[in-house]
Amino acid sequence: SQQGEEDPQALSIQEGENATMNCSYKTSINNLQWYRQNSGRGLVHLILIRSNEREKHSGRLRVTLDTSKKSSSLLITASRAADTASYFCATDAVRGGGSNYKLTFGKGTLLTVNP
Amino acid sequence: ETGVTQSPTHLIKTRGQQVTLRCSSQSGHNTVSWYQQALGQGPQFIFQYYREEENGRGNFPPRFSGLQFPNYSSELNVNALELDDSALYLCASSLAYSSNYGYTFGSGTRLTVV
Repeated sequence: SQQGEEDPQALSIQEGENATMNCSYKTSINNLQWYRQNSGRGLVHLILIRSNEREKHSGRLRVTLDTSKKSSSLLITASRAADTASYFCATDAVRGGGSNYKLTFGKGTLLTVNP
Repeated sequence: ETGVTQSPTHLIKTRGQQVTLRCSSQSGHNTVSWYQQALGQGPQFIFQYYREEENGRGNFPPRFSGLQFPNYSSELNVNALELDDSALYLCASSLAYSSNYGYTFGSGTRLTVV
């Protein structure tokens, strides 16, 4: 079953604009991660935010996490045509004993950045 | 440092056949997970292997099975292939008990069942 749900499903913007994608999830998490996928190939890890963090930055990426609302957002600033890809949020559930277990993904947001 | 390598990249099989997909973990990682991604969907967790044993399993039938080898590489086996098994199969490696680091994914194997 899908834990996270990204919103919007598709987003089209012009180069230089900012892109914001949202993710909602259902259960308690250890951390939330964002991944990028180009043309149905492998996933590339972008950024991870822990459940006790509220905001994190990495280059042009900014992620926020609101555990009370079970939601996260990914902001890509000054977008480029090369940012065109599908973006997925994934939640990491930790089982007893501390072992990381699995990622539960949403359906993704397809971002198109027009030159 | 090498990333995650999957083979083959593409595969076409007939319904009812069996298939084996392979994955080499990133150097230093001791856990391997497999995911199935249908077209237009997010990846779905199949199972995870740690220390050569299954460490967790998603909602997939027993005809999906796996192995992890002492060098942490892994295989995904699917028996009695069905048309709905057509998907991108992704392997991801990670370090157990380090859940605050991201996973490293391979480029995937595109399986088509006809």
